Amino acid sequence: DGGITQSPKYLFRKEGQNVTLSCEQNLNHDAMYWYRQDPGQGLRLIYYSQIVNDFQKGDIAEGYSVSREKKESFPLTVTSAQKNPTAFYLCATRTSGLSGGEQYFGPGTRLTVT
Amino acid sequence: SQQGEEDPQALSIQEGENATMNCSYKTSINNLQWYRQNSGRGLVHLILIRSNEREKHSGRLRVTLDTSKKSSSLLITASRAADTASYFCATAALYNQGGKLIFGQGTELSVKP
Repeated sequence: DGGITQSPKYLFRKEGQNVTLSCEQNLNHDAMYWYRQDPGQGLRLIYYSQIVNDFQKGDIAEGYSVSREKKESFPLTVTSAQKNPTAFYLCATRTSGLSGGEQYFGPGTRLTVT
Repeated sequence: SQQGEEDPQALSIQEGENATMNCSYKTSINNLQWYRQNSGRGLVHLILIRSNEREKHSGRLRVTLDTSKKSSSLLITASRAADTASYFCATAALYNQGGKLIFGQGTELSVKP
């Protein structure tokens, strides 16, 4: 988990509210990723960013938004349009160069929406 | 789009035994990676095997890759209680855009002392 900070560890929100999850890295990695993990499931890609001021949709981007204004930061906003937002959210980074190289993960944020 | 499938979904063994997990995928890959996740935590990278490699070792881990069968296996030898975790395979597509990985559903390993 070292070098990637996700806060808070647990987050509770009421339905209909937008919520922003933080992801900060000090690894100087260019690429950053957001994944969603549901119980007993693998990870699904929400958004990713290869460089500052640029990002692309992943497989399940609907109801989510991101920004990449700084290399160190890649916040994820879960909007009220996301139908089933309760999940474990993981942020990851990757060095540039090697395509599809190893990713480094943060500790995750568990979001509960009621 | 999840393309990795792993089996078994769950595996329970005694300490000292070997644990084998399998992963299958659908498209051509640049490499395949294995990750470990302790309950409620982030993932930790274990090993990466490239498409032109057939076998790779790292400590007690042995990974094989058969691109003709589109499958990989992870063997953990002489397992320990501390190996209890979920293990995921992840593939990087051959013509990869953005370094994306596709993860399997995972194998939940329980090692009993």
